[in-house]
Amino acid sequence: DSGVTQTPKHLITATGQRVTLRCSPRSGDLSVYWYQQSLDQGLQFLIQYYNGEERAKGNILERFSAQQFPDLHSELNLSSLELGDSALYFCASSMRSGGDDTQYFGPGTRLTVL
Amino acid sequence: GENVEQHPSTLSVQEGDSAVIKCTYSDSASNYFPWYKQELGKRPQLIIDIRSNVGEKKDQRIAVTLNKTAKHFSLHITETQPEDSAVYFCAASRGASKIIFGSGTRLSIRP
Repeated sequence: DSGVTQTPKHLITATGQRVTLRCSPRSGDLSVYWYQQSLDQGLQFLIQYYNGEERAKGNILERFSAQQFPDLHSELNLSSLELGDSALYFCASSMRSGGDDTQYFGPGTRLTVL
Repeated sequence: GENVEQHPSTLSVQEGDSAVIKCTYSDSASNYFPWYKQELGKRPQLIIDIRSNVGEKKDQRIAVTLNKTAKHFSLHITETQPEDSAVYFCAASRGASKIIFGSGTRLSIRP
């Protein structure tokens, strides 16, 4: 157990809908990262927040947005869902903001868009 | 932009033999190189990492070597066991920039 929690574990929804994924970082970690992993694919970095502020952006679609709250938990919002958005979504956390800081991954949320 | 190439994409070895996975990176300022293991449907888990001030690091059956001049680093697993079967990801980063992951290696251990 990495100490990073994610809810829900599974999510099934229809095209065009909107969902929210939630992540709580390890105690003491200030950075949260979001990744998308499609079937048999690698880890696609979406976005990073550090202490409530957006820190880095990757291949995140305009239909997706995220935020980090004062208690440091983070939410990833996915809207106008398409079939291709079906994937495992991981969040990870680290103590600091630098890319050279060890990241610990949560168990993931499996999103299925029908 | 920054890039991390990982080879091979799939690897099958006999139980008890060694497995080697190699990665090359493009950003010469990279100073942190973690390796993650991901079992089917599970989270990526950090198994070993190395920083650029050392050339080799070992943890039981797992070792990582770093060649900064050639900009490549490798994961070595000795005496492989069935539970080593998984997808392995390398990554490279430096302080101010985001981490870049390799595309992954699917390792299968044949009994």
